[in-house]
Amino acid sequence: EDQVTQSPEALRLQEGESSSLNCSYTVSGLRGLFWYRQDPGKGPEFLFTLYSAGEEKEKERLKATLTKKESFLHITAPKPEDSATYLCAVQAGTSGSRLTFGEGTQLTVNP
Amino acid sequence: DTGVSQDPRHKITKRGQNVTFRCDPISEHNRLYWYRQTLGQGPEFLTYFQNEAQLEKSRLLSDRFSAERPKGSFSTLEIQRTEQGDSAMYLCASSLGRMQPQHFGDGTRLSIL
Repeated sequence: EDQVTQSPEALRLQEGESSSLNCSYTVSGLRGLFWYRQDPGKGPEFLFTLYSAGEEKEKERLKATLTKKESFLHITAPKPEDSATYLCAVQAGTSGSRLTFGEGTQLTVNP
Repeated sequence: DTGVSQDPRHKITKRGQNVTFRCDPISEHNRLYWYRQTLGQGPEFLTYFQNEAQLEKSRLLSDRFSAERPKGSFSTLEIQRTEQGDSAMYLCASSLGRMQPQHFGDGTRLSIL
């Protein structure tokens, strides 16, 4: 069974204080790892897809990296508007098209 | 690209009633997914369509749940004889292909009295 574990559950940062969120996964044949951002009362908003170990993607203050066992979402000099829950999901070769999500990291950035 | 649209945004109903939700995917997307999300948890997969064919169903999708996508465009998710445990956010997503990103709507929040 595919498993995704995200840590920490919650993270509180000061504006400008860089940090990283972790996503550990156990799957049979990773096809893709996806990062999403979710604001309260909204659906998940797509951020990145990573397909193979060593791959990196960047968007503004966010950078996602992938190894064979985990992914990191690095947040550089965060701003209060980066406050949200960040979700990691995997799509595995044996699981068809479904995404298996972690429970998310709730990020709060204080001004 | 108008995004994935879900209706209604909120539904309050009494236990035992039937409810139906609608999802309109991004127009050129042929794959449509339903997920359920409870507070503090990540979304859980329910079912998936490619065009009008329902190709995958989760163990979570009990006999009381049924989904359709009759013309390969919009989809409906019906829950019969609702129970307290059905209270959740029901999310719809669509994608262009199997390994392409799934884009989500803002969900229908179901509350069972």
